[in-house]
Amino acid sequence: DAGVIQSPRHEVTEMGQEVTLRCKPISGHDYLFWYRQTMMRGLELLIYFNNNVPIDDSGMPEDRFSAKMPNASFSTLKIQPSEPRDSAVYFCASSFLLRFRAFFGQGTRLTVV
Amino acid sequence: DQQVKQNSPSLSVQEGRISILNCDYTNSMFDYFLWYKKYPAEGPTFLISISSIKDKNEDGRFTVFLNKSAKHLSLHIVPSQPGDSAVYFCAASDGNAGGTSYGKLTFGQGTILTVHP
Repeated sequence: DAGVIQSPRHEVTEMGQEVTLRCKPISGHDYLFWYRQTMMRGLELLIYFNNNVPIDDSGMPEDRFSAKMPNASFSTLKIQPSEPRDSAVYFCASSFLLRFRAFFGQGTRLTVV
Repeated sequence: DQQVKQNSPSLSVQEGRISILNCDYTNSMFDYFLWYKKYPAEGPTFLISISSIKDKNEDGRFTVFLNKSAKHLSLHIVPSQPGDSAVYFCAASDGNAGGTSYGKLTFGQGTILTVHP
């Protein structure tokens, strides 16, 4: 298996623009997580899905953030409109059993200027 | 409110010596703990875990110790190698929480380990 695949690897956008981050989880995994990494807060869980259904989105910072999982092999995280403070590395991860080891993608480095 | 804290942002160790990375938690309901390692431009990868029914788990050069009364865990790397240089994240999970909190991993801020040749 190729592992968790995220795209794009890097994204530079202007403030106010819409940004969409994409994730393909490992086949057969039933949990998908979106994390954000910053220097100050480390790895923060934004939202996670079980069998394509959002379970907990309490980590989503604002209504500008939204996430979808239309099927078992694809998820998106959208920021609209983007702001400079959204600049961070966003990771997608998947797992078979929720509380055991999650497999992370390589991340998307987002820069909002 | 940081429920999992790694108070040392960085640690520098000589090759061959022991590296000790520390992690403290505040939620007494956490019962499963993991360490992840992260290289630059890569995602975190699972390293080792421990259940709260144990106080020690070993895997090769890596050992995790859990002190439940102190709400503290540590990762020991012996002997340290230059390839161990990375960011290490501690994570915790509450397996008994109800609703949406079940099994959610809460991460610390990470510790940058540098192993000098």
